Amino acid sequence: NAGVTQTPKFRVLKTGQSMTLLCAQDMNHEYMYWYRQDPGMGLRLIHYSVGEGTTAKGEVPDGYNVSRLKKQNFLLGLESAAPSQTSVYFCASSYSILSSGDYEQYFGPGTRLTVT
Amino acid sequence: AQKITQTQPGMFVQEKEAVTLDCTYDTSDPSYGLFWYKQPSSGEMIFLIYQGSYDQQNATEGRYSLNFQKARKSANLVISASQLGDSAMYFCAMREGGSSGGGADGLTFGKGTHLIIQP
Repeated sequence: NAGVTQTPKFRVLKTGQSMTLLCAQDMNHEYMYWYRQDPGMGLRLIHYSVGEGTTAKGEVPDGYNVSRLKKQNFLLGLESAAPSQTSVYFCASSYSILSSGDYEQYFGPGTRLTVT
Repeated sequence: AQKITQTQPGMFVQEKEAVTLDCTYDTSDPSYGLFWYKQPSSGEMIFLIYQGSYDQQNATEGRYSLNFQKARKSANLVISASQLGDSAMYFCAMREGGSSGGGADGLTFGKGTHLIIQP
């Protein structure tokens, strides 16, 4: 079991460039999440998904888009990167409470993104 | 208003001492879950412990226990017999709704406490 994996681990972008971060989980989790972590702050929710084909906005969704075409994958897109999007991005996944008493959110290792 | 407040930005503790990391929360939802995560310098997020709003007993996981005081909206993490490897950032988080926080919404995190264990 690889758990939750994220690709890439590091990336440097110029302002205005676009990129997609890939999150994959092999635990058959229904729910998936994208967070960002800025210095001196906890993680903040960007977008999340409760199942294949569904997405919803979190606390800080502006400038990002997401897609969940397959249950195991959750993509985070930056269409036109800005320096304010320099951050560490974490993906997480969890079971639906309806199917499990496991409440934990399992996190990926993170992607460090710098926008210059 | 902040939903999760961690008032200790940093703490220094002697090895083998017990540590209490403070966390207060704010919610009007009767159903919620409280979580603690550890983030070492390597950056990964490690789940430590969970407490549901309807749980009668304080949660325990090995050396970790959660001191849950519902009326005070407090969910402090207690680490017994601290070790050098406990040095890390610690985050308190909450998920509202669902069944004791088992809903689909993401976690709301505090700003964290940087714990340093000294030999």
